[in-house]
Amino acid sequence: DAMVIQNPRYQVTQFGKPVTLSCSQTLNHNVMYWYQQKSSQAPKLLFHYYDKDFNNEADTPDNFQSRRPNTSFCFLDIRSPGLGDAAMYLCATSRDQQGTQYFGPGTRLTVL
Amino acid sequence: AQKVTQAQTEISVVEKEDVTLDCVYETRDTTYYLFWYKQPPSGELVFLIRRNSFDEQNEISGRYSWNFQKSTSSFNFTITASQVVDSAVYFCALSEVNQGAQKLVFGQGTRLTINP
Repeated sequence: DAMVIQNPRYQVTQFGKPVTLSCSQTLNHNVMYWYQQKSSQAPKLLFHYYDKDFNNEADTPDNFQSRRPNTSFCFLDIRSPGLGDAAMYLCATSRDQQGTQYFGPGTRLTVL
Repeated sequence: AQKVTQAQTEISVVEKEDVTLDCVYETRDTTYYLFWYKQPPSGELVFLIRRNSFDEQNEISGRYSWNFQKSTSSFNFTITASQVVDSAVYFCALSEVNQGAQKLVFGQGTRLTINP
């Protein structure tokens, strides 16, 4: 059974049109992460939530926002997608700060 | 700063051959964790192993084995009798604990192709 679920798996949006990616987990983990992975590159951490505490990476553009309404769900909002935001977006969770991160299947975003 | 280097960008072998993926890391922390993840074409990052800095024992899981050597700051991954299903990008990663959560520093990945 899938433990970290991402919807949709593929998302197409237009330049400048806001888009929201969804992540949910059945593990009851405290920490949820969002990564951006561009073609042939390693995943890059955008931000994470430790419970309700939001932590942004210093180099994450303001165009990227996140919401975590409850333990199970976390959303990635891209306010005005540019062509450079086309990438795979990976959600991960860990039980606590020492725990292993488990990843979802990712959402591949295309910006037209 | 922490850094992970996977010098092999791509490896291609014939099925049933053994293959070793290299990983070298840099850190000033005395407590850290090392990981290997597999990313098949579907895109999901699949967790393979975690090793803490105080445990240098090698580990074997089926056809997979890992060699951790603190003296050379290496955490290499060997697949024995490779199979086509092993074809994927493999990432080595190092963790630091920052602001209440574990931050993974990934290597650039090694694309492994197993040919029939």
